[in-house]
Amino acid sequence: NAGVTQTPKFRILKIGQSMTLQCTQDMNHNYMYWYRQDPGMGLKLIYYSVGAGITDKGEVPNGYNVSRSTTEDFPLRLELAAPSQTSVYFCASSTAGTGTEQYFGPGTRLTVT
Amino acid sequence: QKEVEQDPGPLSVPEGAIVSLNCTYSNSAFQYFMWYRQYSRKGPELLMYTYSSGNKEDGRFTAQVDKSSKYISLFIRDSQPSDSATYLCAMSASTGGFKTIFGAGTRLFVKA
Repeated sequence: NAGVTQTPKFRILKIGQSMTLQCTQDMNHNYMYWYRQDPGMGLKLIYYSVGAGITDKGEVPNGYNVSRSTTEDFPLRLELAAPSQTSVYFCASSTAGTGTEQYFGPGTRLTVT
Repeated sequence: QKEVEQDPGPLSVPEGAIVSLNCTYSNSAFQYFMWYRQYSRKGPELLMYTYSSGNKEDGRFTAQVDKSSKYISLFIRDSQPSDSATYLCAMSASTGGFKTIFGAGTRLFVKA
């Protein structure tokens, strides 16, 4: 099992550009999450999904969009990138709906200049 | 006031020491309490989780939850240099749809 994979590992965007962060898991988990991690701020939930076709907002959803067409994939879309979106983005998945036992990917480091 | 407070450290200890890492929280509805370890430039990995109050032990790691004080702890016995990492506490509640709230993390350095 590869677990949770994320691409790309690094990316530099110019202000106003768009991009999609890819996330795939091969554990057949229903629950998937996107977080951002800023220095000294911990992880903040952006969006989450409880299954294919079902997504919902987390704490900090503004400027992002998601879709979940399959159990395995949960891409995160950034439209009109802004410097405030410079961060490390982590995708996670879990089999439990209680928020416990989340498996994280290696992260994508995004810089917006 | 943040929902979950965690001292960012850094905390530096000699090898073999007992390490105590702590978090406080304000939302009494939290039911599940997790500890994650994150090595530099890696994703977090779950160490253990507990439900409600009490203790849970796994090898050198012990998690404690005191809901009356809204205080959780992670103890690491016989600490090793390989334990050097950032430790994140996290919590969830059914009233919040089990959305997980993370602490900011405590950086731990274990010196050989």
